[in-house]
Amino acid sequence: AQSVTQLGSHVSVSEGALVLLRCNYSSSVPPYLFWYVQYPNQGLQLLLKYTTGATLVKGINGFEAEFKKSETSFHLTKPSAHMSDAAEYFCAVSDWRNYGQNFVFGPGTRLSVLP
Amino acid sequence: GAVVSQHPSRVICKSGTSVKIECRSLDFQATTMFWYRQFPKQSLMLMATSNEGSKATYEQGVEKDKFLINHASLTLSTLTVTSAHPEDSSFYICSARGTSNTGELFFGEGSRLTVL
Repeated sequence: AQSVTQLGSHVSVSEGALVLLRCNYSSSVPPYLFWYVQYPNQGLQLLLKYTTGATLVKGINGFEAEFKKSETSFHLTKPSAHMSDAAEYFCAVSDWRNYGQNFVFGPGTRLSVLP
Repeated sequence: GAVVSQHPSRVICKSGTSVKIECRSLDFQATTMFWYRQFPKQSLMLMATSNEGSKATYEQGVEKDKFLINHASLTLSTLTVTSAHPEDSSFYICSARGTSNTGELFFGEGSRLTVL
């Protein structure tokens, strides 16, 4: 069975400050890991994903995440927050054996960016 | 990239009526689509897995007679909320797997249902 936890349901940062959103997962098989962003009343947009290979993954809008197997973590970072980054962020884990049939979302973290 | 489109984005209906929401994969064929429900400030709750040409697989606790899912073609899945009641008001989102094997899901824009 797989699960995802996201520490902090709400994170506030000042514009220009570092963004760090935490994600830890549990998986009995090598996981595929994802970060999605959701703006109000919209669907989810993929920010980045880790499948295999390089553990530091770069995504859209300046975000990146690092897969750390020893820590079972996949934290999302951005060096400098922008007002447009304010949104809900979801970490997710997928079972690679079933090509994503089992896709588990974390509870989400709401990011607020203060001027 | 793979694009998934939902329609309508917003719908308001009277209690007791039925509402149909469409989910289309625009530039790829999706043998499997997923339907989620999202309550305010919460994560997505998987309702069912829609398989083209066969019956949907519903998650525990989801009423299959209330939420009818049809996946009649490789690019279209529909969710019909039958005899809607105010407690069915929610944000419904669909997703589909792309043709790659990385397990990535592509999401529709979501449909907000309000039952009066």
